[in-house]
Amino acid sequence: KNQVEQSPQSLIILEGKNCTLQCNYTVSPFSNLRWYKQDTGRGPVSLTIMTFSENTKSNGRYTATLDADTKQSSLHITASQLSDSASYICVVRPRSGNNRKLIWGLGTSLAVNP
Amino acid sequence: DGGITQSPKYLFRKEGQNVTLSCEQNLNHDAMYWYRQDPGQGLRLIYYSQIVNDFQKGDIAEGYSVSREKKESFPLTVTSAQKNPTAFYLCASTGLGDKVTGELFFGEGSRLTVL
Repeated sequence: KNQVEQSPQSLIILEGKNCTLQCNYTVSPFSNLRWYKQDTGRGPVSLTIMTFSENTKSNGRYTATLDADTKQSSLHITASQLSDSASYICVVRPRSGNNRKLIWGLGTSLAVNP
Repeated sequence: DGGITQSPKYLFRKEGQNVTLSCEQNLNHDAMYWYRQDPGQGLRLIYYSQIVNDFQKGDIAEGYSVSREKKESFPLTVTSAQKNPTAFYLCASTGLGDKVTGELFFGEGSRLTVL
């Protein structure tokens, strides 16, 4: 069964610190893996999209990595800010599917404290 | 600015009533989607439409209906047949230019509460 599992479920860090969020998936083969940021009560916003042939992609202080062999992805946040407090969702699109077939993780809830 | 507009932001409904959530986009996107988000669960697809006057059921379509009469608009009706309608509803769209990656652009969501 295609699954996307994220860890930790929640995380609290101090402002200015770095953190890394994990995503393990069983979807195979897959077309792309995405990370979204969702602020409380708002819609998700795309941070990165990586195809199966890419292994890293950055968007400002956000850097996503992908290891297709181990079926793992991570999202690294550098020099965290209070505005980084949000839920971060990992999403995998199977190669044979379209957006109809997206597999969504449950998200990691990040709290950045002053 | 281009984007997706959902309304209302908050909606309260009595049991047995139908309600319609609005979703409008000015991104010239062909495909539009409705998702439902519940605490502790990943986003679940309700309905999607890839072209005007055509739409397909998603994973949890029971108790919902949609229409796609215009490219810009994809309203969702939550009917009285939906047993647990209290949730956060998200509308999204994808353009032809995103055909490969399928990047989704989301609205701000509508929170429906059944009293």
